[in-house]
Amino acid sequence: QVHLVESGGGVVQPGKSLRLSCVASGFALSDYSMHWVRQAPGKGLEWVALISYDRDNSYFADSVKGRFIIFRDSSENTLYLQMNSLTPADTAVYHCARGRPFNYFDSWGQGTLVTVSS
Amino acid sequence: QSVVTQEPSFSVSPGGTVTLTCGLTSASVTSSHSPSWYQQTPGQAPRTLIYGTNIRSSGVPDRFSGSILGNKAALTITGAQADDESDYYCVLYVKSGLWVFGGGTKLTVL
Repeated sequence: QVHLVESGGGVVQPGKSLRLSCVASGFALSDYSMHWVRQAPGKGLEWVALISYDRDNSYFADSVKGRFIIFRDSSENTLYLQMNSLTPADTAVYHCARGRPFNYFDSWGQGTLVTVSS
Repeated sequence: QSVVTQEPSFSVSPGGTVTLTCGLTSASVTSSHSPSWYQQTPGQAPRTLIYGTNIRSSGVPDRFSGSILGNKAALTITGAQADDESDYYCVLYVKSGLWVFGGGTKLTVL
């Protein structure tokens, strides 16, 4: 059974960094594209980043480009999101999600809350 | 910049039919945008309903269906039930390496 569990969220000051983790079970992370999707409090879903399954190419939403890095450790079956230069606008629950052909997300984690505040 | 539009809210009577739409400000939505739909209740992770425009995800009841209606993607719920009351999000694959979610539709069943 596919299972995704995020961790690493918390309260961080503006301008600081934070690294989120997403541990996958039930499948090999290296065989799939993986995404991060976030949801600010009371707001809708926002796609954040993708790491592709084949060449580990990465793509980002304009709102995080140049500040966030997505990578994975296949030996740990873990996906990461390194978030730098955080601003209050980055405050959100961050979900990892598995990507599938037809460009959709078939499995989601429960998410981890990141709060950027002084 | 591509903006994906959804109705902010919709209401349906139990047993009724409702169609939620998903548009694109810059173009018509087609199957090449790979429309997919997700259901979310407060505090929960999204649940995948429809992908590839009209393919139901595993375990999704057949009262949920997807289509292209005119220049938009659409999610139709036929025979709405009380537990369909949720937020519904569409997402479009607008170009290589870029997905954009709509703002979501809050569906009330009453």
